[in-house]
Amino acid sequence: EDQVTQSPEALRLQEGESSSLNCSYTVSGLRGLFWYRQDPGKGPEFLFTLYSAGEEKEKERLKATLTKKESFLHITAPKPEDSATYLCAVQSGIQGAQKLVFGQGTRLTINP
Amino acid sequence: GAGVSQSPSNKVTEKGKDVELRCDPISGHTALYWYRQRLGQGLEFLIYFQGNSAPDKSGLPSDRFSAERTGESVSTLTIQRTQQEDSAVYLCASSTRTRKDTQYFGPGTRLTVL
Repeated sequence: EDQVTQSPEALRLQEGESSSLNCSYTVSGLRGLFWYRQDPGKGPEFLFTLYSAGEEKEKERLKATLTKKESFLHITAPKPEDSATYLCAVQSGIQGAQKLVFGQGTRLTINP
Repeated sequence: GAGVSQSPSNKVTEKGKDVELRCDPISGHTALYWYRQRLGQGLEFLIYFQGNSAPDKSGLPSDRFSAERTGESVSTLTIQRTQQEDSAVYLCASSTRTRKDTQYFGPGTRLTVL
């Protein structure tokens, strides 16, 4: 069964203090690993898709990396507006398997 | 263009009543998904529609849950005889049919069963 575990559950940082969020996964043939951002009371907002080990993607202060067992979301010099819950999800490569399997998320708070 | 829209945004109902939740996908997106998010938890897959293919219902938690989709447009998720454990945010997502099919989410419907 596909599984995703995110750590830590919650993280508090000072503005400008860089850190990383972890997403460990087991999946039957990875088709894609997805990162989303979710603000309170809203739906998840797409950030990145990673398809193969060694791949990296960047957007503003965020950088996502992927290995065969885990993905990291690196946040460089964060600002208070980066406060949100960050969700990781995997999609299996099994024929016909379209659903995303999500982790429970990391709740990130950036203090000014 | 417009994103995924869902209605209502909030629904409060009494235990035992039926509810219908609606999702309008992004225009041109052939795939549509429903997920459930309980308070403080990750998203759970419920059901997936792709064109005229038979839907993947493997995530529906009980026979009280059903969903329909008209062609490649609107979908409704129906919960019959609601129970308190059905209280959650119900999220809809849509994607294109290409291999690299990113799912884009709507704002969700918050369901509260009293």
